[in-house]
Amino acid sequence: SAVISQKPSRDICQRGTSLTIQCQVDSQVTMMFWYRQQPGQSLTLIATANQGSEATYESGFVIDKFPISRPNLTFSTLTVSNLSPEDSSIYLCSVVALTKNIQYFGAGTRLSVL
Amino acid sequence: QQPVQSPQAVILREGEDAVINCSSSKALYSVHWYRQKHGEAPVFLMILLKGGEQKGHDKISASFNEKKQQSSLYLTASQLSYSGTYFCGTEREDRGSTLGRLYFGRGTQLTVWP
Repeated sequence: SAVISQKPSRDICQRGTSLTIQCQVDSQVTMMFWYRQQPGQSLTLIATANQGSEATYESGFVIDKFPISRPNLTFSTLTVSNLSPEDSSIYLCSVVALTKNIQYFGAGTRLSVL
Repeated sequence: QQPVQSPQAVILREGEDAVINCSSSKALYSVHWYRQKHGEAPVFLMILLKGGEQKGHDKISASFNEKKQQSSLYLTASQLSYSGTYFCGTEREDRGSTLGRLYFGRGTQLTVWP
């Protein structure tokens, strides 16, 4: 299975600021995704991180609020912009391995907005 | 577009069996099952592909009824380590080349008591 490193593991941010989350995987993967999980809730897909091109966003998520980069096959960042308390959540990256159609999740970033 | 999971919660004694169901109103390419313990990342259990067979390892198995767009996860002779929240993630067939995008159910909280 792929080893995924997600940073930071948690952060507390002020309203109106931004937080950038990094996701690094130890091997080349075909696809990378970003999810949000609100406390005690399910996982909601934010976007597909495309290498070298703009991310593909799900309904309800926009690039201005959640800009995503993926400069190569093993690294992606998600920025949560103009933070409000409603953005308090766990953000997880996931990857799909080259050889199997299995999706692995990072440990997540727990964000609290004051 | 979110699949429906049932039941919401299950409480078992060690050694008892449980079934968790997942159904979708959309045509599915695959169903993925995960277990998540509190504060941890979701852990992949198994994937069922359209046209595939029932899968299983150890005392956990699953089935996928393509005609009904339903999947079931079977936990037999449950162990204390089975406790956690189980999520099904569905990969929709109508999304074409953007496979890998998973839409998760609300989860089933499983508690196993000694």
